[in-house]
Amino acid sequence: AQSVAQPEDQVNVAEGNPLTVKCTYSVSGNPYLFWYVQYPNRGLQFLLKYITGDNLVKGSYGFEAEFNKSQTSFHLKKPSALVSDSALYFCAVRTLSGYSTLTFGKGTMLLVSP
Amino acid sequence: GAGVSQSPSNKVTEKGKDVELRCDPISGHTALYWYRQSLGQGLEFLIYFQGNSAPDKSGLPSDRFSAERTGGSVSTLTIQRTQQEDSAVYLCASSLASGSSTDTQYFGPGTRLTVL
Repeated sequence: AQSVAQPEDQVNVAEGNPLTVKCTYSVSGNPYLFWYVQYPNRGLQFLLKYITGDNLVKGSYGFEAEFNKSQTSFHLKKPSALVSDSALYFCAVRTLSGYSTLTFGKGTMLLVSP
Repeated sequence: GAGVSQSPSNKVTEKGKDVELRCDPISGHTALYWYRQSLGQGLEFLIYFQGNSAPDKSGLPSDRFSAERTGGSVSTLTIQRTQQEDSAVYLCASSLASGSSTDTQYFGPGTRLTVL
């Protein structure tokens, strides 16, 4: 079975500071990893994904994520946070041999203060 | 082009009534998914459709839940005899083809269901 853990329910950061939202996964086989963001009363918006190749993946709105196979992690990062980045962030995983669906983490609320 | 659309955006119903939720996927996407998002449960997979193949219903929580997809496009999720625990946001997503695990799923805005 595949699973995703987002160990922090909430992350607080001041505008202009770097941010990290943590994600770890457990799968059999090679993982395909995704990050989505959800703004209030909106659906999920795709940010980025890791399939293969370079461990550092760049996505929308200046976000990036680093795949670390030895630590089974896929943390989301941004060098300089904006107040408008405040939202709920979901990490998700699927595998080639697993479901075609995504398994999501519980989500992490990011709050960026002015 | 247009994204995934869902209707209604909000639905309030009384316990015991049936409800239908609609999803219009992105044009050309052959795979369609339904998820449920509720407090304390996160995002749960419900069902997915791939082209004309039989749907994977393994995520449906009970036989009160069913879904169909007409003509390989629009999908309707039906909940019969609604219960209060059915209250949640129901999200629909589509992707080009579920046969590829690298496919990106694109989500609609969701339908917020409240069962009184």
